[in-house]
Amino acid sequence: EVQLVESGGGLVQPGGSLRLSCAASGFPFSTSWMTWVRQAPGKGLEWVANIKPDGSDQNYVDSVKGRFTISRDNAKNSLYLQMNSLRAEDTAVYYCARDKRAARDYWGQGTLVTVSS
Amino acid sequence: QSALTQPASVSGSPGQSITISCTGTSSDVGGYNSVSWYQQHPGKAPKLMIYEVSNRPSGVSDRFSGSKSGSTASLTISGLQAEDEADYYCSSYTISGTHVFGTGTKVTVL
Repeated sequence: EVQLVESGGGLVQPGGSLRLSCAASGFPFSTSWMTWVRQAPGKGLEWVANIKPDGSDQNYVDSVKGRFTISRDNAKNSLYLQMNSLRAEDTAVYYCARDKRAARDYWGQGTLVTVSS
Repeated sequence: QSALTQPASVSGSPGQSITISCTGTSSDVGGYNSVSWYQQHPGKAPKLMIYEVSNRPSGVSDRFSGSKSGSTASLTISGLQAEDEADYYCSSYTISGTHVFGTGTKVTVL
């Protein structure tokens, strides 16, 4: 059974940092593109970033470039999102998902990040 | 990286068919056959319904179908059922090597 379990969300002050983790199981993680998607409260989905299976290539939405870093540890079947210089507009549920054929076929349950003073 | 344009809401009666549009540009929807559709019920994670414009993942009802013409993709739900009431999002690969979602459509079963 495929499982994606996010963790690391919480309350952080503006300008602060947070590291999200996603533990994967049930599929060949080391050969899968992986993605982070977020959803602000009451709003739509926003694609955030993705990473190549070997970690050598990453892509980001413009609004997080230079502030967020996606990474992975294939030995631990884990995906990460390091978020720095957080802003109120980064408040959202963050989902990790597996990419297959340019679509996200498996999703985690999400972790809530709240940026507020 | 502007969001793809979807109607805010679409409604239909049980048994009817409805179609949700997803309009982009030649730099995303129009340039690639990498359009996917997601269903999201309140408080739940999204679920993949269609990938590569018109392909259904295993386990997704054949009442769901996808198509594309130019820079507009469409999701059709036939034989509308109460359980289809949810938010639906399209997504496309873009010329920048990123992906973009649509604005989302709330489907109401009357």
